[in-house]
Amino acid sequence: NAGVTQTPKFQVLKTGQSMTLQCAQDMNHEYMSWYRQDPGMGLRLIHYSVGAGITDQGEVPNGYNVSRSTTEDFPLRLLSAAPSQTSVYFCASSHRQGVSPLHFGNGTRLTVT
Amino acid sequence: AQTVTQSQPEMSVQEAETVTLSCTYDTSENNYYLFWYKQPPSRQMILVIRQEAYKQQNATENRFSVNFQKAAKSFSLKISDSQLGDTAMYFCAFTIGLTGNQFYFGTGTSLTVIP
Repeated sequence: NAGVTQTPKFQVLKTGQSMTLQCAQDMNHEYMSWYRQDPGMGLRLIHYSVGAGITDQGEVPNGYNVSRSTTEDFPLRLLSAAPSQTSVYFCASSHRQGVSPLHFGNGTRLTVT
Repeated sequence: AQTVTQSQPEMSVQEAETVTLSCTYDTSENNYYLFWYKQPPSRQMILVIRQEAYKQQNATENRFSVNFQKAAKSFSLKISDSQLGDTAMYFCAFTIGLTGNQFYFGTGTSLTVIP
């Protein structure tokens, strides 16, 4: 039972580069989300999706793009990396929006130089 | 606005002792769910315990229990018989029931269990 699989675990980018963080879950969860974790700020929501074809912005969406073509996959795209996007990124899914706990991937540590 | 406050950035406890981590939150909603997550040095986010706001009975999971005071909007976590493996960052969080699109997290409490 893989749960939420997130890749890569580590990534270093130069300012202006783009990349995609991959996220897949095998629990048939409708709700998926991306959070960033910064020291002293907890976890903040970037984007979320309540089902295939449906996405919406969270608290800190600028500089990120998402799509949800299947129930299983929810990739996060950095369009033009900036040093302010240096962070740890978590993908998380939930069985029932607003009720069930979040199941997290193992996180991606991203450094933008 | 929905907010979560964890006022203890760092705490320590002797092995086998009991420790309580504080959490207060603010919401005008009446139906919500509260959680504690543990993040060990491995960075993995692990669910510790869950509490439904409509339930008066405090949730327990083995050595972990909560003191949920709805009127005071307080949700503290008690860890009994602390073990070295409990060393981690602990995050308090809540989500609004049914219509909630996000979890609201506190800034975390770093707990160190001293042998």
